[in-house]
Amino acid sequence: DSGVTQTPKHLITATGQRVTLRCSPRSGDLSVYWYQQSLDQGLQFLIQYYNGEERAKGNILERFSAQQFPDLHSELNLSSLELGDSALYFCASSVLPGGQPQHFGDGTRLSIL
Amino acid sequence: AQTVTQSQPEMSVQEAETVTLSCTYDTSESDYYLFWYKQPPSRQMILVIRQEAYKQQNATENRFSVNFQKAAKSFSLKISDSQLGDAAMYFCAYRSAIGAGNQFYFGTGTSLTVIP
Repeated sequence: DSGVTQTPKHLITATGQRVTLRCSPRSGDLSVYWYQQSLDQGLQFLIQYYNGEERAKGNILERFSAQQFPDLHSELNLSSLELGDSALYFCASSVLPGGQPQHFGDGTRLSIL
Repeated sequence: AQTVTQSQPEMSVQEAETVTLSCTYDTSESDYYLFWYKQPPSRQMILVIRQEAYKQQNATENRFSVNFQKAAKSFSLKISDSQLGDAAMYFCAYRSAIGAGNQFYFGTGTSLTVIP
């Protein structure tokens, strides 16, 4: 158990819809990372937050947004969903935004029908 | 941007034997971190081993060790005495140690099968 909690575990929705994925970091971790794992794209970094502020941005679409709240949990919002957004979305956390190992949640499987 | 390449999409090893997974990366930076993550069928991402670029000594963690060749930008993972539980997808990852951008770059993964 990594201590990182992601909900929901599975999500099925239709094109054009909007969903919110939630992540609670490991106790004591201030930094949260979001990743997308598609079958053909491997693991892609989306965005990172540290103590409530955006720290780094990767290949995140404009239809996607995220935030980290004062209690350090984070939400990833995906809107105007397309079939290609079907993927496994991982959240990871670390104590600091440095080279410390990241602890991954179990992921949210998003299926777009 | 940094890139991480895992040229072996699939590998197999006999139980109790040794296997080496390859990883190369491209960077102009001198200070960075390298990681190997394991993703079993349960899909959880588990840190296997970590290497700081400024350290010449190769990292080891029980049956797992790396061969870090900084000049060649190579970071291979050796698994000794392979066990059935080692069967998983293995990802190599790079992270800069410099600056505010702390983005991790992952390779496309190597699927390891352990044959009983």
